[in-house]
Amino acid sequence: ETGVTQTPRHLVMGMTNKKSLKCEQHLGHNAMYWYKQSAKKPLELMFVYNFKEQTENNSVPSRFSPECPNSSHLFLHLHTLQPEDSALYLCASSQDRSGRSQETQYFGPGTRLLVL
Amino acid sequence: GQQLNQSPQSMFIQEGEDVSMNCTSSSIFNTWLWYKQDPGEGPVLLIALYKAGELTSNGRLTAQFGITRKDSFLNISASIPSDVGIYFCAGRANAGGTSYGKLTFGQGTILTVHP
Repeated sequence: ETGVTQTPRHLVMGMTNKKSLKCEQHLGHNAMYWYKQSAKKPLELMFVYNFKEQTENNSVPSRFSPECPNSSHLFLHLHTLQPEDSALYLCASSQDRSGRSQETQYFGPGTRLLVL
Repeated sequence: GQQLNQSPQSMFIQEGEDVSMNCTSSSIFNTWLWYKQDPGEGPVLLIALYKAGELTSNGRLTAQFGITRKDSFLNISASIPSDVGIYFCAGRANAGGTSYGKLTFGQGTILTVHP
């Protein structure tokens, strides 16, 4: 257990569906992240939230919409996805300390998404 | 953008053997992290390195932050079957600005341990 939970663990959706992924961290961290992990590719950072403010959007298509209502919860809303969006979506959290480059990211177990 | 080259891509070893893998970067990093990912799970942090030249151990695992700040290695001694998984290096370059917190990941090393 890393203190970061994700639901659902598995999701199958059609291209016209709308679904949401949920992430919750129990570590008291102030930063949360969404990553995409595809087969045989490095982890791709999608979004970063710091103190509930989005600080990074890594050129992610608008069919992915993040939401961070508080520092413990992070959502990824999915709409009209494509089959190539099928992947493992990982959430992570960290405690940013201003002035020091020492935050470490802790990952959740991921949501395995299949888009048909 | 920053890129990490992680090698080898995969390793097939016998139980009891030692393992070594490394990551190299074209640019300087201030932090190096090593993660392990089991099938169907998220990466779990193994070792974190914050200073050039730092050598840190975690049980049978040892990792070093290269003195040039452009590389890091991970060693596993006396491997056991449960060491099977994918090992990722990750580095972070900036101490501030919009890239604060952004990690760059290697492609991963797939480790298979034969009993």
